[in-house]
Amino acid sequence: QKEVEQDPGPLSVPEGAIVSLNCTYSNSAFQYFMWYRQYSRKGPELLMYTYSSGNKEDGRFTAQVDKSSKYISLFIRDSQPSDSATYLCAMTSGGGADGLTFGKGTHLIIQP
Amino acid sequence: DAGVTQSPTHLIKTRGQQVTLRCSPKSGHDTVSWYQQALGQGPQFIFQYYEEEERQRGNFPDRFSGHQFPNYSSELNVNALLLGDSALYLCASSLRVGRQETQYFGPGTRLLVL
Repeated sequence: QKEVEQDPGPLSVPEGAIVSLNCTYSNSAFQYFMWYRQYSRKGPELLMYTYSSGNKEDGRFTAQVDKSSKYISLFIRDSQPSDSATYLCAMTSGGGADGLTFGKGTHLIIQP
Repeated sequence: DAGVTQSPTHLIKTRGQQVTLRCSPKSGHDTVSWYQQALGQGPQFIFQYYEEEERQRGNFPDRFSGHQFPNYSSELNVNALLLGDSALYLCASSLRVGRQETQYFGPGTRLLVL
């Protein structure tokens, strides 16, 4: 079993839909959780950063962490074609500057 | 303000050769981490440099080595290249202050081993 599981997709939704992306993990020591967006042939770009359990909202993006279930989610409201990319979850135990453990990434396609 | 920069952008090598990749961190950052991203996979942590020393290491053989310079820039060296080393190599920089710091990634160096 991998430390972080993430459905690779592809996930295809119509423009304007609410998108839900998820990761599960097995290491209970993880406390810091991130979501990165990666466009084709580019480096990952940080979207959301959350410490421990709870919700965090930033514009159209909402990140949720449920440590009891070892489950994290990213919601995208009013999805746009420009949101089409690969979304990577990442996590670490010692702080955001420590080596990150990533999921495989979910390829998201927003249809105009 | 320049972000994280990496060079070269692309590289082709043959099996058995050695390669050096370079990274300049975001202005004000003092910590550099290296990741390997194979096609269709998430990045895998190789190692991290802070104060010119390797501070953390992932599950990579010692063919992978690195260096950090006084200006915080960093190099990743891979010896005795294997076909399986073909990947996108990502550098990320951060500021090692407290636990709320996050990592900013460069565009990567795409390495092809033939």
